[in-house]
Amino acid sequence: LAKTTQPISMDSYEGQEVNITCSHNNIATNDYITWYQQFPSQGPRFIIQGYKTKVTNEVASLFIPADRKSSTLSLPRVSLSDTAVYYCLVGDKPGSSNTGKLIFGQGTTLQVKP
Amino acid sequence: GAVVSQHPSRVICKSGTSVKIECRSLDFQATTMFWYRQFPKKSLMLMATSNEGSKATYEQGVEKDKFLINHASLTLSTLTVTSAHPEDSSFYICSARELVGGYTFGSGTRLTVV
Repeated sequence: LAKTTQPISMDSYEGQEVNITCSHNNIATNDYITWYQQFPSQGPRFIIQGYKTKVTNEVASLFIPADRKSSTLSLPRVSLSDTAVYYCLVGDKPGSSNTGKLIFGQGTTLQVKP
Repeated sequence: GAVVSQHPSRVICKSGTSVKIECRSLDFQATTMFWYRQFPKKSLMLMATSNEGSKATYEQGVEKDKFLINHASLTLSTLTVTSAHPEDSSFYICSARELVGGYTFGSGTRLTVV
């Protein structure tokens, strides 16, 4: 399973755009990149997933360069409620025949200030 | 969307007793479920992978006789912490994987052993 590296923490202010970059130099051809959000004393929540280029949904965008060795989660106009830990994971596409284990790295603690 | 219910949300037990945590997929069949534990300000650590109708696969360093996992149906997996000790106090989180879908996490169980 590809190992990921993220900044341990980031600070931002309400209304700003936040970009969290994740490095995954050993990503395999079949690996997808998925980001999760976790609030204290809750389970992780799926944010976004992608394979290449750009993916956008109602809460975030995910930018993946051509070599796929990194990815950037972009949160537009953050609010105080976006304060959480954000995890970047890489792994096989769901439905594949392997074990499908999700291994979490250290994550990035985002603190949004007023 | 997919929902995973985890029960109880918090439990306090005395040293030496056993505690059972349930993880249910409410609106989908989970071919595979995963159990994690998380210490304060740390990332999620995968404990084991459970597949319906077969024995769980434990990660290195996880005592299978202490953390009993049963996955009796496609919608229910249980984790039993046997002969609990204060060092077992932690946040336990389950995750369920659909055959062709993604991973959904439960809301977690805060175990305190006194």
